[in-house]
Amino acid sequence: TQLLEQSPQFLSIQEGENLTVYCNSSSVFSSLQWYRQEPGEGPVLLVTVVTGGEVKKLKRLTFQFGDARKDSSLHITAAQPGDTGLYLCAGDAGNNRKLIWGLGTSLAVNP
Amino acid sequence: DVKVTQSSRYLVKRTGEKVFLECVQDMDHENMFWYRQDPGLGLRLIYFSYDVKMKEKGDIPEGYSVSREKKERFSLILESASTNQTSMYLCASSLSAGRTYGYTFGSGTRLTVV
Repeated sequence: TQLLEQSPQFLSIQEGENLTVYCNSSSVFSSLQWYRQEPGEGPVLLVTVVTGGEVKKLKRLTFQFGDARKDSSLHITAAQPGDTGLYLCAGDAGNNRKLIWGLGTSLAVNP
Repeated sequence: DVKVTQSSRYLVKRTGEKVFLECVQDMDHENMFWYRQDPGLGLRLIYFSYDVKMKEKGDIPEGYSVSREKKERFSLILESASTNQTSMYLCASSLSAGRTYGYTFGSGTRLTVV
């Protein structure tokens, strides 16, 4: 069974701090996606990374795909209360149309 | 922007009722999915469809069925609702077969079975 493990499970920080969340697996993925979900809403796609070692930036968010395509990280610089939410990673193993989902990191950014 | 619309945000049903959850997408996506989301269990795939009238079981199909008569609409049916089906239900769509594109999710239906 392919698994994606996300850490930490919960994170509570003050506005302006930096943070990194991780998404790890023993399996290789052809691509990996990051989503953010706000309470009571569906997840929203932030980014897809495809190439091993790839780094993508979305304003204050930096996403990295591991060289071996087994892991990924999301770094947020100078976090703001609007960054609060559940961050989910999802991997495409390439063998069917389904994604493998992590359980998420719940981030709270306090003003 | 792609839009995925779920018919209800909140629903309360009685045990044993047949429940229909509707999902419509407006961007001609081939793939559609139904998930349920529960605390500590994450997103679990119930059923998905990659074409009209096609369906495949996900990880937890028991107690559910689906219908896709038109490309834009994917319905989830709870044949006889039970309290353990109380959950947040999320519908999603994605563009194409052959490669996994990002999913667009609806806002979810919070179903309570009493």
